[in-house]
Amino acid sequence: AQSVTQLGSHVSVSEGALVLLRCNYSSSVPPYLFWYVQYPNQGLQLLLKYTSAATLVKGINGFEAEFKKSETPFHLTKPSAHMSDAAEYFCAVSVNAGGTSYGKLTFGQGTILTVHP
Amino acid sequence: NAGVTQTPKFRILKIGQSMTLQCTQDMNHNYMYWYRQDPGMGLKLIYYSVGAGITDKGEVPNGYNVSRSTTEDFPLRLELAAPSQTSVYFCASSSRTRSNTQYFGPGTRLTVL
Repeated sequence: AQSVTQLGSHVSVSEGALVLLRCNYSSSVPPYLFWYVQYPNQGLQLLLKYTSAATLVKGINGFEAEFKKSETPFHLTKPSAHMSDAAEYFCAVSVNAGGTSYGKLTFGQGTILTVHP
Repeated sequence: NAGVTQTPKFRILKIGQSMTLQCTQDMNHNYMYWYRQDPGMGLKLIYYSVGAGITDKGEVPNGYNVSRSTTEDFPLRLELAAPSQTSVYFCASSSRTRSNTQYFGPGTRLTVL
């Protein structure tokens, strides 16, 4: 079984400040971890994914996340926020999609990021 | 390469009406999914398909039906619309790889009055 908890439904930062969006996951087997971003009135766009390669995962728009084995956080960070980063962010976890498994993707509840000038 | 497309973008239904939400992908993906998104609730899986002719229920299937006659198309059917089905619906697809990266359509915003 797998689960995801995003800490904080709303995060507000100033332009140029550090962005930290928190996500804790649990999985009974080695997971695949994702962050998706949703801009207003749009679908979800893949921001980054961890698939057991490098533990520091770099995504689009300067975002990154670090996977630490045996720890549960998979927080999303960006050193300097930009106004265009304002969106809703979703953390998600999946397990091996091989064989007959369809690789269920379990989402967190989402965090709305607001960026102030 | 359009990716995942959904129609319509918006729809208002009366209680008891029926409709079909269309989803098409042009990436030759085996897996396809339907989610609903409600404020503060994240995305909930309604139905999924691992290939043409094979579908199964997700977390919240009640009130919905699906079919998968081709690799490209995965329509979602609402038979008797209820206010509880007011939501934003997303279709997604993925290839049969170990990481199961899912790609999403732009969504359909449905209101049932």
